Amino acid sequence: DIQMTQSPSSLSASVGDRVTITCRASQDIRSDLGWYQQKPGKAPQRLIYSASSLQSGVPSRFSGSRSGTEFTLTISSLQPEDFATYYCLHHHSYLLTFGGGTKVEIK
Amino acid sequence: EVQLVESGGGLVQPGGSLRLSCAASGFPFSNYEMHWVRQAPGKGLEWVSYISSSGSAIYYADSVKGRFTISRDNAKNSLFLQMSYLRAEDTAVYCCATGGAGVWGQGTTVTVSS
Repeated sequence: DIQMTQSPSSLSASVGDRVTITCRASQDIRSDLGWYQQKPGKAPQRLIYSASSLQSGVPSRFSGSRSGTEFTLTISSLQPEDFATYYCLHHHSYLLTFGGGTKVEIK
Repeated sequence: EVQLVESGGGLVQPGGSLRLSCAASGFPFSNYEMHWVRQAPGKGLEWVSYISSSGSAIYYADSVKGRFTISRDNAKNSLFLQMSYLRAEDTAVYCCATGGAGVWGQGTTVTVSS
């Protein structure tokens, strides 16, 4: 089974900071990866699909990239509404495999 | 507006049963694969089950295999999860999501406790 290792599990940052979150796949998953934002009591919202494509309606400060089996979500300038938990998700055929999540908190 | 709305959650005793529903609107439901995903309190997301657009292909996580049954009614734009032999560790918010996880519902809470 494919494992998704997400880091860090939490981070503290200030408004305006550049934030980077990483997911590493245990094997090649091509670009079958998405990034999601979840706020308390709410459903996850997809930010990025296919590793680097921005979901319609998502601010351009969010970006995704891939280098082999390592995937990165970057928030270029953290905004107050961005404090949330972020998950990477690998989808292949019938299976969804999640990273462990990264909680982004206010410093 | 594309929307998924879950219902059917509640408090149930260990060993009991519950049937969750997911009502879809705003998109051609019958063309979409669907998933159930759950999130235990304070924990991450866990995939539970998958059903193909026609219902002909079904898969389950090992943790629920033999206890949960996924189904769908394309005529009624609805997805279901029949949960039996429930355990305390099944306590979670259960969400339905479209194939590829592009769209999610808000979830319904299942609590298994005596």
